[in-house]
Amino acid sequence: EAQVTQNPRYLITVTGKKLTVTCSQNMNHEYMSWYRQDPGLGLRQIYYSMNVEVTDKGDVPEGYKVSRKEKRNFPLILESPSPNQTSLYFCASSNLRDRVSGNTIYFGEGSWLTVV
Amino acid sequence: QKEVEQDPGPLSVPEGAIVSLNCTYSNSAFQYFMWYRQYSRKGPELLMYTYSSGNKEDGRFTAQVDKSSKYISLFIRDSQPSDSATYLCAMTILNRDDKIIFGKGTRLHILP
Repeated sequence: EAQVTQNPRYLITVTGKKLTVTCSQNMNHEYMSWYRQDPGLGLRQIYYSMNVEVTDKGDVPEGYKVSRKEKRNFPLILESPSPNQTSLYFCASSNLRDRVSGNTIYFGEGSWLTVV
Repeated sequence: QKEVEQDPGPLSVPEGAIVSLNCTYSNSAFQYFMWYRQYSRKGPELLMYTYSSGNKEDGRFTAQVDKSSKYISLFIRDSQPSDSATYLCAMTILNRDDKIIFGKGTRLHILP
């Protein structure tokens, strides 16, 4: 079954404590991306990656890091989380051809992150 | 002016009614138009996508794009309680930084 798996699904953490949200896909997709979803603001792209070792900033990259050492994994790192990073985070993947048309973009189930 | 505007709702309609969901946009260069459905506590899933103007039908769902008015619609016929979800429109331009612009979503409730 085609899947994008995120962990953890739910996390409450404290300001400044580094955390990593993992993302893994089993579809051999080249393209992976992280979004955050906030009430009234919709989905906003944080970072994306077109392939292994290739990453680029999205619309709201401040306070986040990513890495793409393997094709299937695209972790999101919050080095020093702050309360304004409390949000619902989604990882998504697609093959390169379809990333723009929207066809076969798969989203994970989301990670609810609360920073206190 | 925001690139994509979508009424957040909520929109409540009785079961069996025809639902019309809409987005307007400002950039005439958008080429691909998509509708995603997002159930509570789940990730968005692609419902339909169209390229340029026209209509596309898939079962009870019809996507319509009017590029002259910069207006896209999603129609749901014979609406069911299982259609209750948030619907996000999205659009993009080929080769423009791989960026998909999402609307903020419309919450839809189908009343049994």
